[in-house]
Order: sequence, then structure tokens, then C-alpha cells
Amino acid sequence: EAQVTQNPRYLITVTGKKLTVTCSQNMNHEYMSWYRQDPGLGLRQIYYSMNVEVTDKGDVPEGYKVSRKEKRNFPLILESPSPNQTSLYFCASRPQGLNTEAFFGQGTRLTVV
Amino acid sequence: AQSVTQLGSHVSVSEGALVLLRCNYSSSVPPYLFWYVQYPNQGLQLLLKYTSAATLVKGINGFEAEFKKSETSFHLTKPSAHMSDAAEYFCAVSADSNYQLIWGAGTKLIIKP
Repeated sequence: EAQVTQNPRYLITVTGKKLTVTCSQNMNHEYMSWYRQDPGLGLRQIYYSMNVEVTDKGDVPEGYKVSRKEKRNFPLILESPSPNQTSLYFCASRPQGLNTEAFFGQGTRLTVV
Repeated sequence: AQSVTQLGSHVSVSEGALVLLRCNYSSSVPPYLFWYVQYPNQGLQLLLKYTSAATLVKGINGFEAEFKKSETSFHLTKPSAHMSDAAEYFCAVSADSNYQLIWGAGTKLIIKP
């Protein structure tokens, strides 16, 4: 089954404790991205990657890191999480092309206390 | 730069009534437009997309949208609302060489029995 898999689905952590949210897709898509979703703000892009070893900042990259060492995986790293990073996070993948559909993971609800 | 505006953060309709969710975009080039739906505790999934083949686009679950260039709109409609349509709906535009999707803030559809 074609899918984007994120883990974990839920995470509660403390301020400053490094964490990684994993994302994997099995559709051989070149393009992957991370979003955060906050009430009233819609989806805001954190980072995106157009292919292996090619990553770039989105609209809200501060406090986040990503890597794209292989095509299928695109982990999101929070080196020192803070409470303002409490949010719902989505990973998405998409074939290259402006008219292509983006496929989303189920989301990771992160709470930083 | 592209942008998307969704009018109304919440729309409430009675079961069986017409659903109309509004989306206006700005783009300096012909856009590709998408509607996505997010059910509670799930990721986003594609409802329909406009890719210039036809101005009236039919999607899943009885939804359709009409592209109107003169009004820069891509409103989503469904003739008769069902309780299962309660969800949040997002409009997005893709018109960027980096394949980024620009998102509206979302509209939460509430169905009254």
C-alpha cells in the first residue's frame, strides 16, 4: 500500500530534550516536506527536500533540522525543543511536477512542557 | 508570490443542505489548485485538483469545484451535506518552481442534524 509513515503519533517531552520524528514513504517520490499545523494558521511549511541531499527552508524553519540521506526517509529533528514547538506535525511526499498530489502521513502530535 | 484565502474559518450547514466552501487565490502564472480534506485525528487527503483540463472538477464523496479565472476562485461545493462530511477543508495552490504548495488557513465544516 502506498503510504507515508510517521512515528511517533503522539509525543510528550520536556524543554531542551532532543527528539526526532521519523518519516518514510514507499512511493519513490522525489519531493518531501514537513509542515506544522496550528489552530487558525493552517499548514506552515518547515523544511522541504527536492531530492536526496537537497533540502531547503520553508516558512518556519527556526528550531528544526532535517536530513535527506536516502530517498524514502526525511526525519525532522528538534535539537532543543521549546514549548512554542508544541503542535501537530505532518510529513508529506509528492512526485515532481506542479500538478501532482501530495500524500500525507497521519501526523505527530507533539507537546513540549 | 502566490497566496490562498479561504473565507470563513467555520461553516455550518444542515444535513441535506448545499455545502459551499470558498477559496480565492492569487498567482502570476496559471495555477494548479487543490482541495484537501482532513478528518479528525487524520492526515490530509486529496478531494480534487484543477490542472487546466476542465474548469469544473469532480472529486471524491460527491464534491466538485469550479475554476473561475476572472474571479480567481476555486470554490468547493456539494449539493447535499452528509454528517460524514464534517471535517476541515484546505485549499492549496501550486505554481512555484520549487513545487511548493501554498495553503489556505482551512475551513471547518460543521453539519447540523
